[in-house]
Amino acid sequence: QVHLQESGPGLVKPSETLSLTCTVSGYSISSGYFWGWVRQPPGKGLEWIGSIHHSGITHYNPSLKSRVTISVDTSKNQFSLNLSSVTAADAAAYYCASVGSSPPHYFDYWGQGTLVTVSS
Amino acid sequence: QSALTQPRSVSGSPGQSVTISCTGTSSDVGGYNYVSWYQQHPGKVPKLMIYDVSKRPSGVPDRFSGSKSGNTASLTISGLQAEDEADYYCCSYTGSYTLLFGGGTKLTVL
Repeated sequence: QVHLQESGPGLVKPSETLSLTCTVSGYSISSGYFWGWVRQPPGKGLEWIGSIHHSGITHYNPSLKSRVTISVDTSKNQFSLNLSSVTAADAAAYYCASVGSSPPHYFDYWGQGTLVTVSS
Repeated sequence: QSALTQPRSVSGSPGQSVTISCTGTSSDVGGYNYVSWYQQHPGKVPKLMIYDVSKRPSGVPDRFSGSKSGNTASLTISGLQAEDEADYYCCSYTGSYTLLFGGGTKLTVL
């Protein structure tokens, strides 16, 4: 069974960079698959942020592309999200997930999510 | 990219059937058979219910079914149960390895 767990600061200052890590267990990232990030502002809907292949190939939401970097560390079986120049609009629950099939297009395993607040 | 269009809310009585629509364009829903649906109970993690328009992951009851016609995908829940009350989100592949969610629909079981 694939298990994902997000970690990172729950509070980020405006204009700074949000950094989160997702640790995967029960499956080796190096074996394949795409891995992604999804966010959900309080009381609002889901938004796909981006996805990464174990090889390091990335794909981003065009609306966030200029501020997003997703990276993978196969030695630690982790992948990470960096979102720069955050504002209050970036406050949300951030989920990491596995993205199934090819092309990757559905989220089959999800982390529990981590709530990020943006405030000075 | 605007979110796929879903009704904000739908409702039904126990035992009835409800259908939630998800409308996009020929560049997303209409262009690919890659629509998925997620169920999210309050404060909980989204759960994959349908993928590839109409396929059910192991463990999802066959009361849940998906279909697509043109630029609109649909999730139908038959034999409504109280536990089905939740938010539902559709998601479509939009080409070039990008994805787009719907705005979400709140299902109320009366």
